[in-house]
This record gives sequence, C-alpha cells and structure tokens, in this order.
Amino acid sequence: AQSVSQHNHHVILSEAASLELGCNYSYGGTVNLFWYVQYPGQHLQLLLKYFSGDPLVKGIKGFEAEFIKSKFSFNLRKPSVQWSDTAEYFCAVSPNTGGFKTIFGAGTRLFVKA
Amino acid sequence: ETGVTQTPRHLVMGMTNKKSLKCEQHLGHNAMYWYKQSAKKPLELMFVYSLEERVENNSVPSRFSPECPNSSHLFLHLHTLQPEDSALYLCASSQTRGEAGGPYEQYFGPGTRLTVT
Repeated sequence: AQSVSQHNHHVILSEAASLELGCNYSYGGTVNLFWYVQYPGQHLQLLLKYFSGDPLVKGIKGFEAEFIKSKFSFNLRKPSVQWSDTAEYFCAVSPNTGGFKTIFGAGTRLFVKA
Repeated sequence: ETGVTQTPRHLVMGMTNKKSLKCEQHLGHNAMYWYKQSAKKPLELMFVYSLEERVENNSVPSRFSPECPNSSHLFLHLHTLQPEDSALYLCASSQTRGEAGGPYEQYFGPGTRLTVT
C-alpha cells in the first residue's frame, strides 16, 4: 500500500538552528510531492511542491525541499529557523496517475524556542 | 483566509443525532475533498468530488454521506456516529488536473471539530 513516513513526530529547535524534516514515501511510479504547513490556529496551507524538473524546490518563507528519487525521499530544509516557524508540517504524495488521491504523512510538530 | 469556509467550526452530537457539515469554496475550483484528521494519525481522505461526480470513496462507513450539489458546495451528512468518529473534519478544494498533468495543490478550510458523545 502507498504510504508516507515522516521520521520525527516532534522537533524542538532554538532560533537560528538549521532544520531538516525527513519524508519518505512508498510508491514505485511517478509522483507529485508536497509539503504543507499548519501554523497554530490556522489552516493547512501549501509550503512547496515538486512535480518535475529541478529536484531542489524552493518554497515560501525560506523553505526548500530536495527530491531524491533513488531514496524515495523529499526532505524539507531551512538553514535558519525563526520562532514564527513553530507549526506542524505535513509531507504529502500524489501518484501521477491522473487521479485525485493524495497521501499524507502523520505530521511533524516543530517548536522553535525564542 | 484560503477561500474555503466550513460550518460549523465545532459540533457536539449524540450517537443518535443527524447533522450535516458544510463546506464552500470561493476559488473557482472543480474538485472538492473531505478528510478526517485524528490525533497522531495521517490525514485520511474520505471522499473526492470532481465536477460534481464522486471520484474517490475510501471505504468510508455509510454513516457518512457526502453531497455535492454544485462545484462550490460540499456537504457531509452524519447519522448514528460512533465515539471513534470524533475528529477534525477538513474540507479542501483544488483545480482538476488538465491534460498536461502536474500537481494540484489543495486549499483547505479551517475544519469542523466534531465530538460524538
């Protein structure tokens, strides 16, 4: 069965620390990849997406993610986090089969200490 | 504000009640989704409507009944729910996929926090 695995459920960092959140998926075909973020009290919103081309994707607020096809991974990174990055982050995968199914990971809660 | 609204934001209902959740999108999208978000579990896709036709139904119990009267509105009718159905129910919308393919990011509403007593 298709699945998305996020390695860390909770991450605590100090401001200015570097961030890397892991995401691996299980699906052998072509995929579209997403990271969504949910800030406290707010809606889930798109952070960045990958569907083709340069495997290093840049998103909003200084986030980036790298698609490594051989590792079935799409890790999220930010060189220097801020207190305002405190949120829950969700990796999601959509098999590029023309359907509508998107499979989400369980999420990683990030807390950034000021 | 993402252009997707959901009402009510909170709902408490007994197991014998019948209630409905409402979702409305103002983005001109053609696809709408219902998800269930439970604590410490991935978002679970429940239903997808594309151009007002149901295109995904992920083995959801019949006590959940979706309705999509037009491309802007989506309902989830609830009856004889169980306590384990307590969760956050999220609505989302997106463009349908064109022939060129490509990703269709989803725009989410704030959710309805449902408690079944």
